[in-house]
Amino acid sequence: DAGITQSPRHKVTETGTPVTLRCHQTENHRYMYWYRQDPGHGLRLIHYSYGVKDTDKGEVSDGYSVSRSKTEDFLLTLESATSSQTSVYFCAISETAGGGSEQYFGPGTRLTVT
Amino acid sequence: AQSVSQHNHHVILSEAASLELGCNYSYGGTVNLFWYVQYPGQHLQLLLKYFSGDPLVKGIKGFEAEFIKSKFSFNLRKPSVQWSDTAEYFCAVNNAGNNRKLIWGLGTSLAVNP
Repeated sequence: DAGITQSPRHKVTETGTPVTLRCHQTENHRYMYWYRQDPGHGLRLIHYSYGVKDTDKGEVSDGYSVSRSKTEDFLLTLESATSSQTSVYFCAISETAGGGSEQYFGPGTRLTVT
Repeated sequence: AQSVSQHNHHVILSEAASLELGCNYSYGGTVNLFWYVQYPGQHLQLLLKYFSGDPLVKGIKGFEAEFIKSKFSFNLRKPSVQWSDTAEYFCAVNNAGNNRKLIWGLGTSLAVNP
């Protein structure tokens, strides 16, 4: 398995509180991604990064922000958590873009917003 | 916009039955194609991928997929399923040129009865 860890693995938080999820990789891959997975919606891209300090929005970026100050770390922040953000969050990494480079996934973070 | 369609949302099979999961995409250019599997409670893992060359691709655990360009399809097959194949299966596509993102299907849930 690719060296990807996510923390925390489980979190319960209250509506309106800020939450930060961390993705850490030891593969030195350039590209990192945050997805959310919900029943009936498959995987949806929230944000991704194509290098240190270089990030872009995915299809469901509202309410989320990201930061990447080091190659190995990609942080996802929910500024003010809402119940609709209850989900399983997966981080993924990729060595290159296009060219058929596959994405490798972390173990996921289960977030519950009450 | 590019999209990926997985026709079967839920499939139930008995052990030793043959499996075929459909995947169609909408993009006229050169593509890279992937099938991922997610076992219960786990993260996504790559089953197989197509970049170029032989359109019949063999992956792990006896799975294979055939790329049919004229039909914009990349169907997943296995001649004889096992109980351990119970999982969710995702098809994904990206632009082979320079696309940083994968476009995902909604997934097919496969249940194999012993």
